Amino acid sequence: VQLVESGGGVVQAGRSLRLSCAASGFNLRVYAMNWVRQAQGKGLEWVAVTSFDGNKEYYAASVKGRFTISRDHSRNSLLLQMNSLRPDDTAIYYCATSRGGGAATTPLVTWGRGTLVTVSS
Amino acid sequence: EIQMTQSPPSLPASVGDTVTITCQASRDIDNYLNWFQQKPGEAPKFLIYDASNLETGVPSRFSGSGSGTDFNFTISSLQPEDFATYYCLQYDSAPFTFGPGTKVDFK
Repeated sequence: VQLVESGGGVVQAGRSLRLSCAASGFNLRVYAMNWVRQAQGKGLEWVAVTSFDGNKEYYAASVKGRFTISRDHSRNSLLLQMNSLRPDDTAIYYCATSRGGGAATTPLVTWGRGTLVTVSS
Repeated sequence: EIQMTQSPPSLPASVGDTVTITCQASRDIDNYLNWFQQKPGEAPKFLIYDASNLETGVPSRFSGSGSGTDFNFTISSLQPEDFATYYCLQYDSAPFTFGPGTKVDFK
């Protein structure tokens, strides 16, 4: 079971970026999936979750309306479309599976190694 | 949004010590609480789910307890590899929220 994030990089404030999280060894369709971020030297911040069927999505207040979580079933991947990026979005972004399929009441269990997003002003 | 407070922020300790970290939720989250360990430059490692259930393969010196709003995480007989930062996470309702973390470092 492995998750590998990609798509990070340096982007100017106001621009967009799309992150991807490729799963191997299991089918992403069965599980709820999350994005979590961590700014340099700071704590963990939960960003978004999508239920196994994509019918429920929830976001942190700090990204709601700017970020969209989705799945690419053909690639067994999780996506995060990030628009209107701000310098305070600069962080390592991790994807994480939940143990179950619901958008809540199921723990986060498996994590990728993260991808770094840097937003310049 | 449920707020999570975690204490202490820093916990100086020695090998062999027993240490306890507390997390408090701003409202009842039943037992929907994760504990994670994170070392510098690494992704978080999942240790405990549903407040007290140890993930497979995690040493039994780690334990968790609590329900409702108050939770504890204990490491018995601290080992050198346990020096790290620990986070709680509530997943009762979105937006999920992490505690600010507790750094267990050398006394």
